[in-house]
Amino acid sequence: KAGVTQTPRYLIKTRGQQVTLSCSPISGHRSVSWYQQTPGQGLQFLFEYFSETQRNKGNFPGRFSGRQFSNSRSEMNVSTLELGDSALYLCASSFGGEYNEQFFGPGTRLTVL
Amino acid sequence: DAKTTQPNSMESNEEEPVHLPCNHSTISGTDYIHWYRQLPSQGPEYVIHGLTSNVNNRMASLAIAEDRKSSTLILHRATLRDAAVYYCILRDDQGAQKLVFGQGTRLTINP
Repeated sequence: KAGVTQTPRYLIKTRGQQVTLSCSPISGHRSVSWYQQTPGQGLQFLFEYFSETQRNKGNFPGRFSGRQFSNSRSEMNVSTLELGDSALYLCASSFGGEYNEQFFGPGTRLTVL
Repeated sequence: DAKTTQPNSMESNEEEPVHLPCNHSTISGTDYIHWYRQLPSQGPEYVIHGLTSNVNNRMASLAIAEDRKSSTLILHRATLRDAAVYYCILRDDQGAQKLVFGQGTRLTINP
């Protein structure tokens, strides 16, 4: 079956702009989680959505937000971009239940200039 | 979030077994031990997980100490494709999907 897909794969923005990233989970998966990966901080959890509701949230400022649609596809938005937001943004999907293997997408590489 | 400690890097030779250690002295009774790995230019991928007993799957084996304060991921016969960063993660499997990644172990495989 098809894996997790993320679009776009690469993005260049300037400071102050906003950006929206998209994630399509594996068919049947209802949970979508987002992570930020930087060389300095490593992989950090942003938030998780399950059945269109945010179920868990990491320690990121309110500029980072997300949502999930009825078909489980998810988007994350970053407003007022800062240079430090340059990172690889990874999306992971799972069934969301007790068997918690997460399947990661290839990520979106965001560069903020 | 319970913490894990792993060596920053390890090196091994192709076709030899690799033992990747992880210390988790503050593990609680309900924490599962999960391992993920991240190959170059890819997202992380699930490797294996366990609670108390040793576990085997097609990718690897997980050996868990009797007191559960440490575990070892075993790759029985390493190949060049196993070169990756390996992450040991503790999770309370109550449905929460949050993975707390440490710095992991960068595994280099020599031909």
